[in-house]
Amino acid sequence: GENVEQHPSTLSVQEGDSAVIKCTYSDSASNYFPWYKQELGKRPQLIIDIRSNVGEKKDQRIAVTLNKTAKHFSLHITETQPEDSAVYFCAASTSGTASKLTFGTGTRLQVTL
Amino acid sequence: NAGVTQTPKFQVLKTGQSMTLQCAQDMNHNSMYWYRQDPGMGLRLIYYSASEGTTDKGEVPNGYNVSRLNKREFSLRLESAAPSQTSVYFCASIRLAGPYEQYFGPGTRLTVT
Repeated sequence: GENVEQHPSTLSVQEGDSAVIKCTYSDSASNYFPWYKQELGKRPQLIIDIRSNVGEKKDQRIAVTLNKTAKHFSLHITETQPEDSAVYFCAASTSGTASKLTFGTGTRLQVTL
Repeated sequence: NAGVTQTPKFQVLKTGQSMTLQCAQDMNHNSMYWYRQDPGMGLRLIYYSASEGTTDKGEVPNGYNVSRLNKREFSLRLESAAPSQTSVYFCASIRLAGPYEQYFGPGTRLTVT
């Protein structure tokens, strides 16, 4: 089955700096890659996703890049703010949809003042 | 529109006791999922139901059973709880078509002593 590895497990950045979280996947058939944000004590929520026919996608301060050849994808957050502090999960699916997601182990991002 | 709801929010069980976690969604979604979340392990799929009347095992099904009672409800049962089942349990649902996103419930924090 699919295996998704996520790094780093913790990340501390100063407010205003950029943060990058990286994930690799094992199944070359994977074609849908969402990112979820989970604030402390709350449910995971989708923040951005990308499909295998696209190399990059942006939404304001958040961007995701995908390298199918290397089987890795990354989340980039620019101009970080304290409210970006949370745990971020990457995931992958071979179905082209949000069904049957395999999640990474999560990255705890701390944005310090 | 409540989205995805879960009951109870917290539960403490003794080893060997049984209980059922309830999940309901009012978004007319077809697919529903049960995950467990453990520190450093991300979200792991226990069982899922692609549509009413069907259920399938996920990555970690041992010790659990599920029932897709109708399109709205998907319950998770622990027949004989073990300390290894101490975790936070999330239910999620998605449509089979349209914008794809797994909507998560608020979670159930279960402790087995």
